[in-house]
Amino acid sequence: QKEVEQDPGPLSVPEGAIVSLNCTYSNSAFQYFMWYRQYSRKGPELLMYTYSSGNKEDGRFTAQVDKSSKYISLFIRDSQPSDSATYLCAMVGNQFYFGTGTSLTVIP
Amino acid sequence: DTEVTQTPKHLVMGMTNKKSLKCEQHMGHRAMYWYKQKAKKPPELMFVYSYEKLSINESVPSRFSPECPNSSLLNLHLHALQPEDSALYLCASSQVSRGQRGEKLFFGSGTQLSVL
Repeated sequence: QKEVEQDPGPLSVPEGAIVSLNCTYSNSAFQYFMWYRQYSRKGPELLMYTYSSGNKEDGRFTAQVDKSSKYISLFIRDSQPSDSATYLCAMVGNQFYFGTGTSLTVIP
Repeated sequence: DTEVTQTPKHLVMGMTNKKSLKCEQHMGHRAMYWYKQKAKKPPELMFVYSYEKLSINESVPSRFSPECPNSSLLNLHLHALQPEDSALYLCASSQVSRGQRGEKLFFGSGTQLSVL
């Protein structure tokens, strides 16, 4: 079983839709959770950083962590074409673990 | 300022060439990393420097040689690479050392390397 599982997609939504991206994990030692956005042929950009169960909001983005279910989510409200990218979840225990990334396309 | 600067952005080299990738950060971060990323795959860790000392080498072939001249700079020296080494090479930095509470990675834009 992989440490972190993430549906690779691709996911295609119309502009203005709410997007839900998810990761599951198996290691209960993970304490810190992140979401990165990566445009094609660019480095990942840190979007959200959380360290406890619950929700964290930043503009159109909401990160949700459910440690009891070992499940994290990223919600994007009012999605824009500029949100088209690959989204990577990442978790930290004694090292960094990345999900495989979900490719998102927002259609104008 | 959360910028990590990598040069060059693109590099094409032959299998007999020697080249270097450069990375710079001025955020006072204590740890610096090299990652390799193939298309549609997550980044794979290669090396970690903590306080300018190599702390992790993920069994990377010796044709990749890292160097940390000071706390702001990180180099990756390349020699006798193979075509399968073609990938996006990412530098990252973190305010705290690897494995410490609060570790979060800030990435540069990467160097797209093609080995012919």
